[in-house]
Amino acid sequence: AQSVTQLGSHVSVSEGALVLLRCNYSSSVPPYLFWYVQYPNQGLQLLLKYTTGATLVKGINGFEAEFKKSETSFHLTKPSAHMSDAAEYFCAVSDGNAGNMLTFGGGTRLMVKP
Amino acid sequence: DAGVTQSPTHLIKTRGQQVTLRCSPKSGHDTVSWYQQALGQGPQFIFQYYEEEERQRGNFPDRFSGHQFPNYSSELNVNALLLGDSALYLCASTPPGGFYGYTFGSGTRLTVV
Repeated sequence: AQSVTQLGSHVSVSEGALVLLRCNYSSSVPPYLFWYVQYPNQGLQLLLKYTTGATLVKGINGFEAEFKKSETSFHLTKPSAHMSDAAEYFCAVSDGNAGNMLTFGGGTRLMVKP
Repeated sequence: DAGVTQSPTHLIKTRGQQVTLRCSPKSGHDTVSWYQQALGQGPQFIFQYYEEEERQRGNFPDRFSGHQFPNYSSELNVNALLLGDSALYLCASTPPGGFYGYTFGSGTRLTVV
């Protein structure tokens, strides 16, 4: 069984500061890893994904994440927060098999202070 | 190019009733999955449809059922609604030939009273 743990249900940063959202996963097979963002009353938008290859993945809106197998982590970072980054962020894992069910973490609400 | 569309956007039902939610996948996508997102939680996988058959199912009771049509659109049916079924129901689609992450719709907000 797969699982995802997002440390910190709420993270607050100042505008212009570094954003770091933590994600640790558990998987018995090489995982596919994803970060999604959800704005209020909306669905999920894919920020970035790791399937195979380069472990540092760049996504949209200046976000990036690094897959660290030894630490079973896939933390999301952005060098400089913008007010528009305020949203709920979800880390998810899939085993890459047919069906490709996603298992999500509980989410982290990012707040950006002016 | 339209993404994943879901209808209705909001719905209020009474406990014990039945509900049908609808989803049209993104153009070119043939696989549809449904997720339930309770307030303040991450989405949970309900089931996935491919070639008009249920291919994988999460830990949800038989009250939750679905269907996929030849045009790849899908329905989610929930019978004997419980208060705990109140949630945002998300539909997601993926293209043929590989999995690189779902495209999600905006969801249907179901409130059971």
